Amino acid sequence: EIVLTQSPGTLSLSPGERATLSCRASQSVSGNNLAWYQQKPGQPPRVLIYGAFSRATGIPDKFSGSGSGTDFTLTISRLEPEDSAVYYCQQYGGSPRTFGQGTKVEIK
Amino acid sequence: VQLLESGGGLVQPGGSLRLSCEASGFSFPTHGMAWVRQAPGKGLEWVSGISGSTTDTYYIDSVKGRFTVSRDNSKNTMYLQMNSLRAEDTAVYYCAKWDGYAHDWGQGTLVTVSS
Repeated sequence: EIVLTQSPGTLSLSPGERATLSCRASQSVSGNNLAWYQQKPGQPPRVLIYGAFSRATGIPDKFSGSGSGTDFTLTISRLEPEDSAVYYCQQYGGSPRTFGQGTKVEIK
Repeated sequence: VQLLESGGGLVQPGGSLRLSCEASGFSFPTHGMAWVRQAPGKGLEWVSGISGSTTDTYYIDSVKGRFTVSRDNSKNTMYLQMNSLRAEDTAVYYCAKWDGYAHDWGQGTLVTVSS
């Protein structure tokens, strides 16, 4: 099983700043098959990024994904209050599919 | 795309529930589907998946032998039969349109296992 470790646990930033979220895998993720999700309180998650760097339909370009192998990054530029959420990575290069534990982004 | 889960509720340990996920807005028979759960205040956990027309099924180890995923493509509906439920199965269960990752999510249905 591929274990995904996200860091930091919580990120507290001001509006307009850039957030950098890390997702590290315990072994190489085949095909860079990694997705990122955003979840706000009381809502289901929504996919932001798939295939490590491809934005899902309707996702603004302030969200960008990068990385390969075992190290992946989600970058959120120009933070706004509505970006406050928990962000999860998920790999689909191995079975079972696994999620990271999440990074909470707080906007000051 | 709309995904509507139903069937959650309160059940005693050892009991059973059947969840349903009714899908609309896309070609249901051609897409894989999955169940993902989230325990209260916790993260996400993929539980089970099923392919489109071939009905291959997949499970996380902790539910193998207890949960069964199925689908009825004529009704655009996926099911999760959950038997021998345990306290640790307590969670919101989401259904998702699945291609290795979740394209779309339902609103979820809460399953509480407690005496």
